[in-house]
Amino acid sequence: NAGVMQNPRHLVRRRGQEARLRCSPMKGHSHVYWYRQLPEEGLKFMVYLQKENIIDESGMPKERFSAEFPKEGPSILRIQQVVRGDSAAYFCASSAPGGAKNIQYFGAGTRLSVL
Amino acid sequence: DQQVKQNSPSLSVQEGRISILNCDYTNSMFDYFLWYKKYPAEGPTFLISISSIKDKNEDGRFTVFLNKSAKHLSLHIVPSQPGDSAVYFCAPSTRAGGTSYGKLTFGQGTILTVHP
Repeated sequence: NAGVMQNPRHLVRRRGQEARLRCSPMKGHSHVYWYRQLPEEGLKFMVYLQKENIIDESGMPKERFSAEFPKEGPSILRIQQVVRGDSAAYFCASSAPGGAKNIQYFGAGTRLSVL
Repeated sequence: DQQVKQNSPSLSVQEGRISILNCDYTNSMFDYFLWYKKYPAEGPTFLISISSIKDKNEDGRFTVFLNKSAKHLSLHIVPSQPGDSAVYFCAPSTRAGGTSYGKLTFGQGTILTVHP
């Protein structure tokens, strides 16, 4: 019973390059959330997606960041033209649809370093 | 605007004693409260949760208390064990619509160290 899988675990990019972070939710989960943790801070919500739909993107920076969760395949968080301030740990979480609880299960994260 | 505050950055306790981690929030729309535990270089792991209609939830050594009028919750771990040493995050949520919940709003975390 695989948990939330994120890859790569570590990603190094130079300023101006693109970063693509992948997340495969737990089996049976159709809700995906992305969070970012900057050094010495707590996790900050970025975006909440269901299959082929963005439900809440209130935490996404207005420029350079995008996310998708296609009908087939993993969710992708894409950062274009990365800058040093994008260096952080990016966590994906998934949850089961419906229900009265919102237990989100997290992946191990992708640590992005921008040189 | 910090909606969730964990005012103690760190807590140190002796093995076998009680650990009490506190969390205050300002958003009265929060109606489901979760605690996560996180080790370095790993993702957060769900620990225990409580709905706003309850004031206590217990699971083994872990108990969460909710005081809605004070907008305060606490996590009690007893007895504390060295393996409990980690960062603990309080993370409330609200309904995104219908029966689904949306984002979690994390506190800054409290580093718990349990000494043998």
